[in-house]
Amino acid sequence: GENVEQHPSTLSVQEGDSAVIKCTYSDSASNYFPWYKQELGKRPQLIIDIRSNVGEKKDQRIAVTLNKTAKHFSLHITETQPEDSAVYFCAASRQGGKLIFGQGTELSVKP
Amino acid sequence: DAMVIQNPRYQVTQFGKPVTLSCSQTLNHNVMYWYQQKSSQAPKLLFHYYDKDFNNEADTPDNFQSRRPNTSFCFLDIRSPGLGDAAMYLCATSRDGGYYEQYFGPGTRLTVT
Repeated sequence: GENVEQHPSTLSVQEGDSAVIKCTYSDSASNYFPWYKQELGKRPQLIIDIRSNVGEKKDQRIAVTLNKTAKHFSLHITETQPEDSAVYFCAASRQGGKLIFGQGTELSVKP
Repeated sequence: DAMVIQNPRYQVTQFGKPVTLSCSQTLNHNVMYWYQQKSSQAPKLLFHYYDKDFNNEADTPDNFQSRRPNTSFCFLDIRSPGLGDAAMYLCATSRDGGYYEQYFGPGTRLTVT
């Protein structure tokens, strides 16, 4: 079945450093790749998404890259801040399909 | 403005006592989803509605049922809650499924005593 692998499961960085989270998907028909941020006890919130017709998308300190050939996509956060601390989930889906989530990465940004 | 609303936010029920969780949306999206989320695990899809078409996940226990009386509302019924059903239940909506953003509600935290 469809699967999304996410690494690392935990990530600790110093404030101001960059953080990178990587995901690999199995369904070659996947064409939508969102990233969700979830703070403790709160709902998942979309922070950025990318569709398969582009290779990179950036929004201020957050960027996502997609390599369709390798079935791999990554989240990059630059100049991290303590408020970036949360659990991040990647996901993949195909047109009309359901979201397949990665296992999550707990990011800790130390002041 | 709240777009996906869930009630109640916290629910305590007794072992085996039926419970209903509700979700409403103001986005007029045609797809509504119910997820179960435990600890820091990824949300697990239980089922979804595409308009009135119900789609059950293969591993969703029979104990879980759902109703969608109209576009705006969707309900999750747990017929006989067990201790293992204690979790956060998230409702989400999407414009057309798959290719579009899912908007999550704040969730209902279910405790089973």
